[in-house]
Amino acid sequence: DTGVSQDPRHKITKRGQNVTFRCDPISEHNRLYWYRQTLGQGPEFLTYFQNEAQLEKSRLLSDRFSAERPKGSFSTLEIQRTEQGDSAMYLCASSLQGDGGYTFGSGTRLTVV
Amino acid sequence: TQLLEQSPQFLSIQEGENLTVYCNSSSVFSSLQWYRQEPGEGPVLLVTVVTGGEVKKLKRLTFQFGDARKDSSLHITAAQPGDTGLYLCAGGGSNYKLTFGKGTLLTVNP
Repeated sequence: DTGVSQDPRHKITKRGQNVTFRCDPISEHNRLYWYRQTLGQGPEFLTYFQNEAQLEKSRLLSDRFSAERPKGSFSTLEIQRTEQGDSAMYLCASSLQGDGGYTFGSGTRLTVV
Repeated sequence: TQLLEQSPQFLSIQEGENLTVYCNSSSVFSSLQWYRQEPGEGPVLLVTVVTGGEVKKLKRLTFQFGDARKDSSLHITAAQPGDTGLYLCAGGGSNYKLTFGKGTLLTVNP
């Protein structure tokens, strides 16, 4: 297992375009998380899946954001009608239930121009 | 809302020096984790502490969880340039979510 993989690593998009990011967690991990990190800040929670069920979404996740985890494997995070304020590093992490430690991916750096 | 304050925000030291960074909150956490993050990469878990007063050592790094489980410290002995990075603390509650501090950006100069 090579850890948590995120794709793409970098994405530059024009304001108003839609973007989709993918995360492949560690295969035996049933929990998957999306966080967002802006410069000078720690990661902020966006949403959480246990298996295929999305159990919580942060208020940071406006209706332009949607996340899925079909079949409880990989996950996608889509942002519609991107805005400059969406520019950030989007981090995916996974963990085993009952194990507090997260394994993070390398992130997707989004720049909205 | 649970908040974690980390101090100092920035720290620049010479190779071989010792340092301590702090993570404080007014809230009680069931666990406290420390991560190290390099530029352009995701955070990497260093340690998880769960018991008040717990001390864990990882080579030259010593982590302590406060007795009341509201604060933690990370002490690095004889810092090396490879220790350079953003050190993040994260508190875990009764659920699955972690609350992160803003981090301490450490630079160790050769």
